[in-house]
Amino acid sequence: KAGVTQTPRYLIKTRGQQVTLSCSPISGHRSVSWYQQTPGQGLQFLFEYFSETQRNKGNFPGRFSGRQFSNSRSEMNVSTLELGDSALYLCASSWARISVAGGGETQYFGPGTRLLVL
Amino acid sequence: AQKVTQAQTEISVVEKEDVTLDCVYETRDTTYYLFWYKQPPSGELVFLIRRNSFDEQNEISGRYSWNFQKSTSSFNFTITASQVVDSAVYFCALSRTGNTGKLIFGQGTTLQVKP
Repeated sequence: KAGVTQTPRYLIKTRGQQVTLSCSPISGHRSVSWYQQTPGQGLQFLFEYFSETQRNKGNFPGRFSGRQFSNSRSEMNVSTLELGDSALYLCASSWARISVAGGGETQYFGPGTRLLVL
Repeated sequence: AQKVTQAQTEISVVEKEDVTLDCVYETRDTTYYLFWYKQPPSGELVFLIRRNSFDEQNEISGRYSWNFQKSTSSFNFTITASQVVDSAVYFCALSRTGNTGKLIFGQGTTLQVKP
């Protein structure tokens, strides 16, 4: 079974631009989570999508947004890029329960998109 | 609040040595889940183990073993007879029931295994 894929793998942008990152989950997985990894802050949760709905959100400004399509593929968008947005962006997918008691499912990560903002 | 602490920033060992990576967590929940992930230089996080809060049985998988102790809120990871290929950053993470899709990660421990 193919793993989680992310495109592009590397990206260079300038301040003020916007960027869209893509994530294709493992076949059959319906939940997609996004994380930002930086040397200073470590791994931080951005948001999670399930059945095209954002179910959970981390503490990031509104410049960070995402969506999920009916085939469970997900995109995240960062508008008005800042230097501090330079990071490795990781996507993860999991089987997920529909109920609100969901949580604790194993997440499988993609290789990440390395974004450099100049 | 939930928190995961990996006090060891970097560990360096010589091949074939045993090494233990420490993980201490904080949570008020009675049901929670703990994970270990490995991040090689390529960047992808590789899943190693998942443990729920009701299962304190230790686990061994080949050269890897995990010791979960609720009494000390610790979930330590031991690599026996380390190999150069074990060199990576290792992350411990915590997840809560009802908090879908969110893993709370520790800062990671960089393990360097020298030949």
